Amino acid sequence: EIVLTQSPATLSLSPGERATLSCRASQSVSSYLAWFQQKPGQAPRLLIYAASNRATGIPARFSGSGSGTDYTLTISSLEPEDFAVYYCQQRSTWPLTFGGGTKVEIK
Amino acid sequence: EVQLLESGGALVQPGGSLRLSCAATGFTFSGYLMTWVRQAPGKGLEWVATITYTGVGTYYADSVKVRFSISRDNSKNTLFLQMNSLRGDDTAVYYCAKRGDVGYMDIWGTGTTVTVSS
Repeated sequence: EIVLTQSPATLSLSPGERATLSCRASQSVSSYLAWFQQKPGQAPRLLIYAASNRATGIPARFSGSGSGTDYTLTISSLEPEDFAVYYCQQRSTWPLTFGGGTKVEIK
Repeated sequence: EVQLLESGGALVQPGGSLRLSCAATGFTFSGYLMTWVRQAPGKGLEWVATITYTGVGTYYADSVKVRFSISRDNSKNTLFLQMNSLRGDDTAVYYCAKRGDVGYMDIWGTGTTVTVSS
């Protein structure tokens, strides 16, 4: 099983600041990686797929990068609605796995 | 509008069974792989099971293998999760999700809550 480790667990930032979230895989996932955003009481929402492609309707302030075992989600300038929990997920091999999540909270 | 709506969640005793349903609207259901994902209270996301287009292929997390069974009825645009021998650690919100054309879970339902407790 591929283990995804997200860091930091919590990121305390102010609106307008840049957020950088990390996801490290226990072995290469060959860019078969997605990022999801989840707000309290809501279902997850797909933000980024195949490591660097924005899903339909996702603002340009969200970007993904990385390859092999190391991936990054960047939010260039935090908007109030961006404070949420973010998960990475790999579909390189079964079983599908998710990272433990990074909570982006208001400082 | 593309939509998924789960139902069937309930309070059930340990060792009991439950069948979840996920009704799909707004897209050609038979053309997409479908998945169940769960989230225990205050915890992260956990993949549970995936089923292929016709239902011939199924994949399960080790934690539910043998106890859970995923199936689909393409004539009724509905996904199912049969859960047997339920345990306390199965307590979670269960989401169904569609795997989109880009190969990732692009549409999610709102979830249904399963509580396993005596």
